[in-house]
Amino acid sequence: KQEVTQIPAALSVPEGENLVLNCSFTDSAIYNLQWFRQDPGKGLTSLLLIQSSQREQTSGRLNASLDKSSGRSTLYIAASQPGDSATYLCAACEINQGGKLIFGQGTELSVKP
Amino acid sequence: KAGVTQTPRYLIKTRGQQVTLSCSPISGHRSVSWYQQTPGQGLQFLFEYFSETQRNKGNFPGRFSGRQFSNSRSEMNVSTLELGDSALYLCASSTGTSGRTDTQYFGPGTRLTVL
Repeated sequence: KQEVTQIPAALSVPEGENLVLNCSFTDSAIYNLQWFRQDPGKGLTSLLLIQSSQREQTSGRLNASLDKSSGRSTLYIAASQPGDSATYLCAACEINQGGKLIFGQGTELSVKP
Repeated sequence: KAGVTQTPRYLIKTRGQQVTLSCSPISGHRSVSWYQQTPGQGLQFLFEYFSETQRNKGNFPGRFSGRQFSNSRSEMNVSTLELGDSALYLCASSTGTSGRTDTQYFGPGTRLTVL
């Protein structure tokens, strides 16, 4: 059974700092790994999708990596800003499970001005 | 292109009642998935519909059901509501046709409170 874990549960950093969020998964039989952002009381915003055959994806100040062999993904945020404050969730899409996503519990990020 | 829409945004019900939530996917998307989000359990998969057929189902009791119409719009129904059903219900749409590159796009959610 796939399990997705995110550490730490919460993180507070000063503005301008580079940071890394971690995600681990137990079953490497995945189509892709997706990162989302959720603002309080809102829906999820898709940030990056890494296919199982890829090692990393970049979008602006965000870079996500995937290491299937170790069951790990990281989300790197460069030059953090107060507007980056949100909960970040990773989700694994398993092979032959359609669009079903298995989510981690999320990392709540606070960027202080 | 319009995003995923969910109605209603907020609902207050009492125990024992039933409720129907609606989700309109992005135009051209044929897959709609539903998730329940609670502070204790996080995001949990309820079910996925693709071309009007349930393609996958999570581990929820039979009180939770859903359907999809020919225009890809989906509804989920919860019967005999319990206090523990209070949650944010999110739906997500995708093309549903290419697993590796198929990004899920989420709606704003329906906040259900059961009193």
